[in-house]
Amino acid sequence: QVQLVQSGAEVRKPGASVTVSCRASGYTFTTYYVHWVRQAPGQGLEWLGRVDPSGGSIHYAQNFQGRVIMTRETSTTTVYMELSSLRSEDTAVYYCARERPDNCHFDYWGQGTLVTVSS
Amino acid sequence: EIVLTQSPGTLSLSPGERVTLSCRASQSISKSYLAWYQQKPGQAPRLLVYGVSSRATGTPDRFSGSGSGTDFTLTISRLEPEDFAVYYCQQYGGSFTFGQGTKLEIK
Repeated sequence: QVQLVQSGAEVRKPGASVTVSCRASGYTFTTYYVHWVRQAPGQGLEWLGRVDPSGGSIHYAQNFQGRVIMTRETSTTTVYMELSSLRSEDTAVYYCARERPDNCHFDYWGQGTLVTVSS
Repeated sequence: EIVLTQSPGTLSLSPGERVTLSCRASQSISKSYLAWYQQKPGQAPRLLVYGVSSRATGTPDRFSGSGSGTDFTLTISRLEPEDFAVYYCQQYGGSFTFGQGTKLEIK
């Protein structure tokens, strides 16, 4: 069955960086995009960007350009999201989610990773 | 960037009732790139409807989506206890955006 399994919760100080991983299984890794979406406590959903595991192309949301880096490792079917220059407003649950190219919706989601930014 | 506005913010209803949730876009959404998700506390969102009106695998047929252009709706024909949750619409128009959500609570 399709699974997206994310790394565990993280705590960082303001100004630091954090990397969250998302390991995919149960499908052909290179045939679906992987996106990152976050949700601040009690708030809605915000898209950060996506990576194409096939060719490695990346599309970042404008709000996160210059602060986020997404990479993939095909040998381990894992996608990584690094967010830098963290501030308290980045405290959120970060989700990875899968998209069949050009379908423009997310059919499977990871379980979420809580990132807490606090001094 | 296309902004999605959902209304109402919260609805208090009883099981068995029919409900229609609204999602309005700041500009026309092309190619039917409009989806709906359900989220329960402590869980990831779950895809319910995509392409405006296509039910995702496992979505009960009491859920139906409709609309075009800038106005979209998700209707639940008869609320079941497990339907009380937060619902988000999502669009793609160059980038992905979500509505702020509508919370369905038990009356």
